[in-house]
Amino acid sequence: DVKVTQSSRYLVKRTGEKVFLECVQDMDHENMFWYRQDPGLGLRLIYFSYDVKMKEKGDIPEGYSVSREKKERFSLILESASTNQTSMYLCASSPWTGGPHEQYFGPGTRLTVT
Amino acid sequence: KQEVTQIPAALSVPEGENLVLNCSFTDSAIYNLQWFRQDPGKGLTSLLLIQSSQREQTSGRLNASLDKSSGRSTLYIAASQPGDSATYLCAVGTGNQFYFGTGTSLTVIP
Repeated sequence: DVKVTQSSRYLVKRTGEKVFLECVQDMDHENMFWYRQDPGLGLRLIYFSYDVKMKEKGDIPEGYSVSREKKERFSLILESASTNQTSMYLCASSPWTGGPHEQYFGPGTRLTVT
Repeated sequence: KQEVTQIPAALSVPEGENLVLNCSFTDSAIYNLQWFRQDPGKGLTSLLLIQSSQREQTSGRLNASLDKSSGRSTLYIAASQPGDSATYLCAVGTGNQFYFGTGTSLTVIP
């Protein structure tokens, strides 16, 4: 079975802190994604990566950056956390077969910024 | 940009009923469509993936159909059970990313 793990299930940080969210997948997938999920807004894509050291902005990249130094690991960085970044963060991975293929999700990280 | 809509936002049915969840999308040039289930506070669990060349996919009591020309997909759940209570999301694969609907919250009443 594909496994996608996220470093924390719950995280509480203070405004202005630098926050790292880690995601690891064990299926050698090319693509990895970071989403945030908010009530009434659904899942919104923050960044995705289609290869090591490659990244593309999604719909809401402002205030975030990402790092992909190894194929299995994709990190989301909040440079200076703000209260409007309180959300559920979901990581996903998928193989590349000429187009976006089936996505597999991690359990999510519930981040609260106070 | 692809826009994905799921109606209704919430649905409540008695146990044993068959039901249909709807997903519509604005751009028919899709690569595939995926249905997920999400339990409260959890990640998404993949239920079914339909490639653009397919019309339907089945897994157990679930059947998903795809009509690209009309921009619609349906998820049919047969003989619903209380354990089916969850939020169901559809995601449309277009270009190199997925676009999600906001989901249908299903409650199956024992």
